[in-house]
Amino acid sequence: DIQMTQSPSTLSASVGDRVTITCRASQSITSWLAWFQQKPGKAPKLLIYKASSLQSGVPSRFSGSGSGTEFTLTISSLQPDDSATYYCQQYNSFPTFGQGTKVEIK
Amino acid sequence: QVQLVQSGAEVKKPGASVKVSCKASGYTFTTYDFNWVRQATGQGLEWMGWMNPNSGNTGYAQKFQGRVTMTRNTSISTAYMELSSLRSEDTAVYYCARGAISDYWGQGTRVTVSS
Repeated sequence: DIQMTQSPSTLSASVGDRVTITCRASQSITSWLAWFQQKPGKAPKLLIYKASSLQSGVPSRFSGSGSGTEFTLTISSLQPDDSATYYCQQYNSFPTFGQGTKVEIK
Repeated sequence: QVQLVQSGAEVKKPGASVKVSCKASGYTFTTYDFNWVRQATGQGLEWMGWMNPNSGNTGYAQKFQGRVTMTRNTSISTAYMELSSLRSEDTAVYYCARGAISDYWGQGTRVTVSS
C-alpha cells in the first residue's frame, strides 16, 4: 500500500493568512492526488483533483501543486468558513488517505 | 443534479452483517465507479473498496478482503456494500462516493456494532 503522510496535524491561523498543508507519498503517484475538506458531521468535499485541478464551484483561494511524492494544498487567504479538516488521497493505485490536518481559525 | 442517497442508520450485534445502500440519481449510473469509505468517530477516512457498476468488477482493501462485498442493481441505480462478521471496531460512518476522484458523496450511514 502507498502511505500518505500529511503535515502538520493541526494548524491555527488568522483570517487572511496564507496556509499550506503538505502531503508526502511513500512512492511516486505522479499526479494522482486529491484534496478533500471535511466539516464535523458532514461528508468530505472534493477541492482539488489530479494534484492541481480545482473542482467546479470551489473558491479560487484553494490551490494544489506537486507531483511524484510531494504535494501541497494552499489556501491563499484563510476565511472563517475554511475551518475544517483537510485530507489528501492518492488514487494512483488502491486509494489511501492521509491522516488529516485540522485547520483552526485564531 | 447528482445525488447519492444512502440508507439509514443501523445497529448490529457482533458477528452479524450489515448491508448499506447508495442510490444514485442525476447521471447515468453505469458511467462512474463507486468507492466506499468509512470513518470511525474522531478518526480519519479509510478506503474500503471500489466497484464498477457497469461490469460489477470490484477491488477491496486488503484489510476487508473476505468480509466485504460490493454489488449493484442497475435497474434501480443503487450500489450496495455488505460487511460481515461485524465487530465493535466496525462502528463507523460509511460513505459511498462517485468516481475515481470521489466528486460526489452520500450523506453517510452510521453503523453501530454493540452487544
